[in-house]
Amino acid sequence: RKEVEQDPGPFNVPEGATVAFNCTYSNSASQSFFWYRQDCRKEPKLLMSVYSSGNEDGRFTAQLNRASQYISLLIRDSKLSDSATYLCVVNPDSGGGADGLTFGKGTHLIIQP
Amino acid sequence: NAGVTQTPKFQVLKTGQSMTLQCAQDMNHEYMSWYRQDPGMGLRLIHYSVGAGITDQGEVPNGYNVSRSTTEDFPLRLLSAAPSQTSVYFCASSSDRTYEQYFGPGTRLTVT
Repeated sequence: RKEVEQDPGPFNVPEGATVAFNCTYSNSASQSFFWYRQDCRKEPKLLMSVYSSGNEDGRFTAQLNRASQYISLLIRDSKLSDSATYLCVVNPDSGGGADGLTFGKGTHLIIQP
Repeated sequence: NAGVTQTPKFQVLKTGQSMTLQCAQDMNHEYMSWYRQDPGMGLRLIHYSVGAGITDQGEVPNGYNVSRSTTEDFPLRLLSAAPSQTSVYFCASSSDRTYEQYFGPGTRLTVT
């Protein structure tokens, strides 16, 4: 059974702090991993892909741990504008296609001034 | 560049009515999908298409039909609306070389 699990939060974090959250997945054959950001009453948008070697984009760092089957997202120097829901997305299908994507329910992040 | 567009933005239906949610993309993507998002449930796949003329069922297909006559358009039809179909509906598209999904702005549907 496809399953992606996230702590729903909310995570209440002061501005400027560092925050990290994880996402676990059950299918060990999963091939692709992503973090999406969804603002209130808006559509999800890709934040970053997660590569095996880990990757960084400005204040955001994503990492993959295949042995323990989780991915993580670290946000440094958090801004008020980082407040959103962060969706973990896993594609277990190496052949590609929209049918394989599994979305987590999201982690709600609130950055407080 | 419009990306993925959806109409209408909001819709209220009475139980038993039918309607079509429109979705179009201008990125020449082969893959298109319909999701519904409910509180506490996350995004769930309704139907998807891997190219014009090809569609398949996702996780929650009952009560919905789709067709894909062109690469650009992927309409979702509600055959006989039920209150359980009250939700936010997102259409998405992606290329065949990456798995990044581009989402439309969503349609908020209420069935009374």
